[in-house]
Amino acid sequence: EAGVTQFPSHSVIEKGQTVTLRCDPISGHDNLYWYRRVMGKEIKFLLHFVKESKQDESGMPNNRFLAERTGGTYSTLKVQPAELEDSGVYFCASSQDLRGGTQYFGPGTRLTVL
Amino acid sequence: GESVGLHLPTLSVQEGDNSIINCAYSNSASDYFIWYKQESGKGPQFIIDIRSNMDKRQGQRVTVLLNKTVKHLSLQIAATQPGDSAVYFCAEVRGWGKLQFGAGTQVVVTP
Repeated sequence: EAGVTQFPSHSVIEKGQTVTLRCDPISGHDNLYWYRRVMGKEIKFLLHFVKESKQDESGMPNNRFLAERTGGTYSTLKVQPAELEDSGVYFCASSQDLRGGTQYFGPGTRLTVL
Repeated sequence: GESVGLHLPTLSVQEGDNSIINCAYSNSASDYFIWYKQESGKGPQFIIDIRSNMDKRQGQRVTVLLNKTVKHLSLQIAATQPGDSAVYFCAEVRGWGKLQFGAGTQVVVTP
């Protein structure tokens, strides 16, 4: 069974540009989470989808970040316009159980904003 | 690697010795905790979990201890191997499954 995949693995963009990150969860997992680790800080929760609905988006830092999960399968996280402080590693995770259970993480997307 | 720029606490342990990694949590109402291992270039990987109705749980070469009185978790790795070199995170499970991670501990296994 394929694990959680993320694309791209690395992205280098200039301040003010737009970047879209993609996450493909494990097939059949209704729960999809986005996390990020910015330089020098711990991994922080961004948001949680149950199927195509946003269950919890309390961790989204500001309105430059937009997450979608149309059709309840893959998800995208768009940053527009990107700022320097957005640099970090963005992780996606999926799980079968609603209340967390085992979350399986993807390898992450390393975003560098210059 | 992914940890560049981070100044994590580091535990250096000799191959074959036991490792103990500690973690303090903040919310006394938390009832579910997970330890994750992150190797360079990879996402966090589940190691073991524990619920608050337990104070100890054992897996393969790993044991998690939970002390609710002082809000403390520890992960013990028996007979540490080179493949155990990684960053280890404890996480509290909050709300509908969102994880609140600790800062992490870098474990370096020396021959």
